[in-house]
Amino acid sequence: DAGVTQSPTHLIKTRGQQVTLRCSPKSGHDTVSWYQQALGQGPQFIFQYYEEEERQRGNFPDRFSGHQFPNYSSELNVNALLLGDSALYLCASSTFQGVRDGYTFGSGTRLTVV
Amino acid sequence: SQQGEEDPQALSIQEGENATMNCSYKTSINNLQWYRQNSGRGLVHLILIRSNEREKHSGRLRVTLDTSKKSSSLLITASRAADTASYFCAGGSSNTGKLIFGQGTTLQVKP
Repeated sequence: DAGVTQSPTHLIKTRGQQVTLRCSPKSGHDTVSWYQQALGQGPQFIFQYYEEEERQRGNFPDRFSGHQFPNYSSELNVNALLLGDSALYLCASSTFQGVRDGYTFGSGTRLTVV
Repeated sequence: SQQGEEDPQALSIQEGENATMNCSYKTSINNLQWYRQNSGRGLVHLILIRSNEREKHSGRLRVTLDTSKKSSSLLITASRAADTASYFCAGGSSNTGKLIFGQGTTLQVKP
């Protein structure tokens, strides 16, 4: 049973560019959350998608947007990249009530903005 | 913003010893979860303790939760070199569906 799959694993972008990260949730999970983890820090919640809608959002600017598809997979888009966007981006999947049972995380996408 | 603080920030022990990590949180939670992260990769869910529970065990892991002090601890008994990783606590809210993580404890277990 495949867990959470994220792509790509590594990415290098230039300031001002746009990036799209992808996530396929664990089989049986319908909710996808995205987290940003700066070096040496704990992950920070970006947003959560369920039934193709953004259900919750953390303290991130509108440059960060997302999408969830009918097959529950999700994309994270970041526009007008800043150097400070360099981080590990983690996708976590769960059932809608997954906060009760724990999340399954992917291995992350390491984004470097130069 | 981060949920709170984890203590210690770094811990180095010998194989076979026990490791204890502490976590404090700021907001109301429905549960407290612990995750492990190896070398900046993905997080692995270790254990979840609900707000109405005080202690929970899973294999070599023991977690306690004190909601009056807004604190939790993770005990790893008989540590192994493979336990070397960063450990994060995260407060979960069934209202918001999001986790708020601490800054983590880096554990090194020497063989």
